[in-house]
Amino acid sequence: LAKTTQPISMDSYEGQEVNITCSHNNIATNDYITWYQQFPSQGPRFIIQGYKTKVTNEVASLFIPADRKSSTLSLPRVSLSDTAVYYCLVVGGNTGKLIFGQGTTLQVKP
Amino acid sequence: ETGVTQTPRHLVMGMTNKKSLKCEQHLGHNAMYWYKQSAKKPLELMFVYSLEERVENNSVPSRFSPECPNSSHLFLHLHTLQPEDSALYLCASIDSKNIQYFGAGTRLSVL
Repeated sequence: LAKTTQPISMDSYEGQEVNITCSHNNIATNDYITWYQQFPSQGPRFIIQGYKTKVTNEVASLFIPADRKSSTLSLPRVSLSDTAVYYCLVVGGNTGKLIFGQGTTLQVKP
Repeated sequence: ETGVTQTPRHLVMGMTNKKSLKCEQHLGHNAMYWYKQSAKKPLELMFVYSLEERVENNSVPSRFSPECPNSSHLFLHLHTLQPEDSALYLCASIDSKNIQYFGAGTRLSVL
């Protein structure tokens, strides 16, 4: 499974767009990139998943360049309730196994 | 609401007690996982069940004993635990796209 690297923490203000970048240099052909969000004392929650180019849903957008060695999660107009830990993971296409790293702790300030 | 229910939400037990954690999903998924999350640490995968068969055991001590009686239920039986086993225990159910749906977890304190 490809290892991922993402910033330990980020700060933002309400109403701003937040972009969290993740690197995964050893991603394999069959792997997907998946992002989860976790609030304290709760289980992680799936945000978005993509293979290449751009994926958008009602919560976020995921940008993946052609070489797929990195990805960027974009959260539009964050609010205080978006304060959480965000995990970037590479999912083995065949196994579905996830390896969670430290994630990025996003602090949204008023 | 993720469709995955874990009970109890909180549990305090002594080192000589025996208790069980329960996870239930009615999402129609065939795979379920147990994770452990200690304070300020990443999630650690403990056990993987697929079609009610244990397919992975990540070197978890024998004082943790999983059970999967059917595809909707997963248990984690606990006995003779240590204080360092205090953590948030999370259950996840996995769909056909390998997206994991987590329960809210059981906060376990071992005294």
